Amino acid sequence: QVQLQESGPGLVKPSETLSLTCNVSGGSFNNYYWTWIRQSPGKGLEWIGNVFYSGITNYSPSLESRVTISVDASRNQFSLKLTSVTAADTAVYYCAREGGCSGGTCYHYWGQGILVTVSS
Amino acid sequence: EIVLTQSPGTLSLSPGERVTLSCRASQSVSSTYLAWYKQKRGQAPRLLIYGASSRATGVPDRFSGSGSGTDFTLTISRLEPEDFAMYYCQHFRTFGQGTKVEIK
Repeated sequence: QVQLQESGPGLVKPSETLSLTCNVSGGSFNNYYWTWIRQSPGKGLEWIGNVFYSGITNYSPSLESRVTISVDASRNQFSLKLTSVTAADTAVYYCAREGGCSGGTCYHYWGQGILVTVSS
Repeated sequence: EIVLTQSPGTLSLSPGERVTLSCRASQSVSSTYLAWYKQKRGQAPRLLIYGASSRATGVPDRFSGSGSGTDFTLTISRLEPEDFAMYYCQHFRTFGQGTKVEIK
């Protein structure tokens, strides 16, 4: 059974950098895209970006200038850095595994989510 | 950029009722990339349907998906108490805004 677990600070000051890590256990880490998705309080889901196990990344155009996603396949984990955060970045951040959708894009496995609040 | 519009915003229904949720894309999309999720308060989304009509592992057969082009639907044949939740459609990297199914 694939399990994902987010970790990192729950409170970040405005203008600072949000840093989260997702640890993956069970199943194969290779040959999948690993994704970050966020959900602002009371709002819908926003795709942030993903990283292939080899290190290839894709980012949302609206966040690309501030986002870096990296992977450490030897430790079965991937990370998110979001710079220059504002209150608008307050959200529950989920990590998820993309794949297993018969050639399409879907997310079978999700972490439980971590609430990150941007506040001084 | 493709926009997914879900309707209605909220549905108030009783257990046992049949429900159909709509997801409309701003332009024609490949059904291969269309998925549906259920999210209960405080939980991560759960994949229900991928490829527009394929049920994910463990999803009850009262859930079904259909559609093509710009119009897709998620149908729950008979609402169970655990089905009252938010439902989101997704195409590639875009999510709809969600439909809330609440108890009447």
